[in-house]
Amino acid sequence: DAGITQSPRHKVTETGTPVTLRCHQTENHRYMYWYRQDPGHGLRLIHYSYGVKDTDKGEVSDGYSVSRSKTEDFLLTLESATSSQTSVYFCAISDGLAEETQYFGPGTRLLVL
Amino acid sequence: ILNVEQSPQSLHVQEGDSTNFTCSFPSSNFYALHWYRWETAKSPEALFVMTLNGDEKKKGRISATLNTKEGYSYLYIKGSQPEDSATYLCAFLNTGGFKTIFGAGTRLFVKA
Repeated sequence: DAGITQSPRHKVTETGTPVTLRCHQTENHRYMYWYRQDPGHGLRLIHYSYGVKDTDKGEVSDGYSVSRSKTEDFLLTLESATSSQTSVYFCAISDGLAEETQYFGPGTRLLVL
Repeated sequence: ILNVEQSPQSLHVQEGDSTNFTCSFPSSNFYALHWYRWETAKSPEALFVMTLNGDEKKKGRISATLNTKEGYSYLYIKGSQPEDSATYLCAFLNTGGFKTIFGAGTRLFVKA
């Protein structure tokens, strides 16, 4: 299994509070991704990174920001959590572009009350 | 907005049945198509990466084909087993490269 961990694995928070999720990899892969998974939608890309300090938006980036100060860590921040951000969040990594498989972390279940 | 559609949404088969499902994607600016298998309470795991029109990939009882000109891929499972029960996701990437668009998945239930 690819060395990807996510923390926390579960979190309950209140509307309006900031939340940061962490993705950590030990594979030295260049590309990292944050997805959210909701019923009926499969996986939707929030943000991705193509190198240290290099990030870009995915299809559902509103309300989220990311940072990547080291190759191994990719942080997802909800500046002010809303109930619509209740979801399961998956981090993924890949070593190359489109032709390379993405390896997924175990997921973080977030509940915003 | 790029749209990737998978059909059917769910499928119930008996053990031993062969089955197939479809992933439809935009035929323009194609770069790659991925298939993933996602078991409940686990993370998605890669099955195939397909990049060329006419590609056929096989892993055990599971195979996939790709038609980039008409924008579809088929996933086939021969002789379904209960352990094949999972959600099968396809993911499309266009020539932009980075932005993966996933379909909503086909949920397969195999009854013993």
